[in-house]
This record gives sequence, C-alpha cells and structure tokens, in this order.
Amino acid sequence: SYVLTQPPSVSVAPGQTARITCGGNNIGSKSVHWYQQKPGQAPVLVVYDDSDRPSGIPERFSGSNSGNTATLTISRVEAGDEADYYCQVWDSSSDHPHVVFGGGTKLTVL
Amino acid sequence: EVQLVESGGGLVKPGGSLRLSCAASGFTFSSYSMNWVRQAPGKGLEWVSSISSSSSYIYYADSVKGRFTISRDNAKNSLYLQMNSLRAEDTAVYYCARVHLATIWDFDYWGQGTLVTVSS
Repeated sequence: SYVLTQPPSVSVAPGQTARITCGGNNIGSKSVHWYQQKPGQAPVLVVYDDSDRPSGIPERFSGSNSGNTATLTISRVEAGDEADYYCQVWDSSSDHPHVVFGGGTKLTVL
Repeated sequence: EVQLVESGGGLVKPGGSLRLSCAASGFTFSSYSMNWVRQAPGKGLEWVSSISSSSSYIYYADSVKGRFTISRDNAKNSLYLQMNSLRAEDTAVYYCARVHLATIWDFDYWGQGTLVTVSS
C-alpha cells in the first residue's frame, strides 16, 4: 500500500520559515492535503490540493508538490504555529481505494 | 455553522462491540461524503472508513475490514460506525470528518472526537 513519510520533528525560530516534507512514490501525481493539530484538539485543514488554502488560513501557509516530495511551508513562523502537522492523500490506484496519512511532524517553535 | 458531534465512545472489553454516532448540522449532510479517522493515544492519525453521500461507495482500512461497518442516515443527518470484535489496538479517539472535495478527498470539518477504550 501507499506510504507517506514525514520527518518526526522540525524546529524553527520565530519569524523564520519552516518547511515540512512528505515523501511518497510519485506523490507529484497525487493531490496532497495538510492538517494542523494542536494538543487536545481536532485536526484543521490548512492546505488542500497541494497548494490551496481554506478560507481563514493565513497566507503564511503554503504548499507545493513535485516528484516524490510534497512540502508544507510556513513563513514568518509564530509561537501559535507549534503543532503536529500531517500530510494526506487519497490513493485510488488499487482495487481498494483508501486514505493515507503521513506519520506526522511535530513543529517546535524555539 | 458546520458542526460534527461524535458520541457513543466508552470502555469496552476485548471482543465486545460499540456503536459510534456523528450528528451533523449546519450543512446539507446528504450532499457530502463522510469518514471516520482515529488516533491512538500519543500516535498519529489513522483513516478508518469512508462512505459516499448516498452510501453507494464504502471503503475500509485493512485493519478494521470485516469488523467495523460504516453507515449513514441522511434523514437523520447522522453517520455511524458499528465496531465489533474490538481489540486493544482499537483504543483511540475516533473523529468523524467531512469530505470537502470528492475528487481529491480532503477533510474540511472534523468533530471533536469520542474516546474508545478497549480493555479488560
């Protein structure tokens, strides 16, 4: 089955740029979505279809996807961005379509 | 305002059964595909099951296939998950989530979750 690989952790200083990667075989051919989850809360969609932002999500959140890597970029990082981030795709390539999540990346704001 | 409210979680013994519900409001429930996603304590997100708007298409993760059954009642604006033959590894917070765009299957609204604990 399809596997998405994320780094367990990323650290960044306030005001800097954080980049969280999501690796998968030819992931560039799929639509990638990103979720932010803070402790004790439900996940929140922050980027969908590689690079689109839902209403209410700051422009500081952006996404890209090419080849074997998708990337969530958070510009001008703030303390409130500290959270777990998950990538997700819909894998329809097999006889049994299914949703795949990456293992998650903990973003620490130093 | 879109709201998804899960209920039905609790403590159950291994081998037991539980039925989760998700009450939807603030949108036309019958027009959207829905999902269950779970998260074991301290772990990441794991997709459990999906159901299309008219129940025509249903999908399950391999880890629950044959034990869990997803269903919906559009007249009651409700989503369900019947969980049988529960195992310790099914212990998790279970979220219901709405599909935003059916062509790419992203989840734009999530409930707050209901905790299922499987333990003797």
